[in-house]
Amino acid sequence: EAQVTQNPRYLITVTGKKLTVTCSQNMNHEYMSWYRQDPGLGLRQIYYSMNVEVTDKGDVPEGYKVSRKEKRNFPLILESPSPNQTSLYFCASSLGQRGETQYFGPGTRLLVL
Amino acid sequence: QQQVKQSPQSLIVQKGGISIINCAYENTAFDYFPWYQQFPGKGPALLIAIRPDVSEKKEGRFTISFNKSAKQFSLHIMDSQPGDSATYFCAATLMDSSYKLIFGSGTRLLVRP
Repeated sequence: EAQVTQNPRYLITVTGKKLTVTCSQNMNHEYMSWYRQDPGLGLRQIYYSMNVEVTDKGDVPEGYKVSRKEKRNFPLILESPSPNQTSLYFCASSLGQRGETQYFGPGTRLLVL
Repeated sequence: QQQVKQSPQSLIVQKGGISIINCAYENTAFDYFPWYQQFPGKGPALLIAIRPDVSEKKEGRFTISFNKSAKQFSLHIMDSQPGDSATYFCAATLMDSSYKLIFGSGTRLLVRP
């Protein structure tokens, strides 16, 4: 079954404590992306990757890091989380550069105290 | 210029009615316009998409209408069903070499039985 998995699904942490949200896809997609979803703002792209070792900033990259060492994995790193990073995070992978056949993961709900 | 404006924010439709969600954009460099459907607790799922060289695309009860000169596109859901109750997002991608997707703010649709 084609899928994008994220872990953890729920996370409560404190300001400044580094955390990593993992993302993995089993479709051999080259394109992967991280989004955050906030009420009234829709989804905003944080970072994206077009292949292994190729990443670039989306619209809201501040406070986040990513890496793409393997094709299937695209972890999101918050080096020093702050309360304004409390949000619902989605990882996605796509067959095409335009988001054709883009699959989203189930989401990670993060609360930063 | 990178925004996609979506309206209405919420919509209530009777079963069997037509649901219409509108999006507008400014950047003429957008060249792919997908719509996503999101159920509570799930990640968005690609519903239907259109390119600007086509004025309309239909898949089952879902139709995208595209007006290139007005820089507007809309999703029509014919014979709306309670199972269509979800949040809908329009999006747009750039015709450059990136993998950037810009999302609208979302429309929460409720179809009453």
